[in-house]
Amino acid sequence: GAGVSQTPSNKVTEKGKYVELRCDPISGHTALYWYRQSLGQGPEFLIYFQGTGAADDSGLPNDRFFAVRPEGSVSTLKIQRTERGDSAVYLCASSLSVQGGSTDTQYFGPGTRLTVL
Amino acid sequence: DAKTTQPNSMESNEEEPVHLPCNHSTISGTDYIHWYRQLPSQGPEYVIHGLTSNVNNRMASLAIAEDRKSSTLILHRATLRDAAVYYCILRALYNQGGKLIFGQGTELSVKP
Repeated sequence: GAGVSQTPSNKVTEKGKYVELRCDPISGHTALYWYRQSLGQGPEFLIYFQGTGAADDSGLPNDRFFAVRPEGSVSTLKIQRTERGDSAVYLCASSLSVQGGSTDTQYFGPGTRLTVL
Repeated sequence: DAKTTQPNSMESNEEEPVHLPCNHSTISGTDYIHWYRQLPSQGPEYVIHGLTSNVNNRMASLAIAEDRKSSTLILHRATLRDAAVYYCILRALYNQGGKLIFGQGTELSVKP
């Protein structure tokens, strides 16, 4: 079946602009996660949705970052007033779990590479 | 969250076994040990997980020390496709929202 998809695959923007990154999870997966990966580092957690609600947004670096999942499937990560330090690969993952359990497998998309000039 | 320590890099020859170590000396009794790997230009993918007993699946085996302070991911016959960064991750039984906390991982290169 179809995996997690993310669009666009690449996004180049200028400092100060607004960007939206989209994630389509695997159908039926209730949990959705956003991570950010800088060059040479492991992915860093940003936010976790259970259904439509953000259950844990402790990883969002500041209030320029916001994410929504209005119908419990597709999610959009929004970044306002982008800065050069926001340049990274943004990864989305989804899982079946109702409660984000410790044995629940996360399935990752290929990521969106964001470059802020 | 308990921390894991892995070597930065390892090398292997094709078709030979590979043992990727992970130290987690502060592991708690309810932490599961998970392994994910990330192939070049792709998102991470699940490999295997375990709690106390050794585990096998079609991709790999996981050997867990008796005191659970370390574990080893075993690829029985490395292929060129196994070249990736391998992450050892601890997840609490009642995980806070299911998030994965990645370290630096081990970059495995496989020579033909």
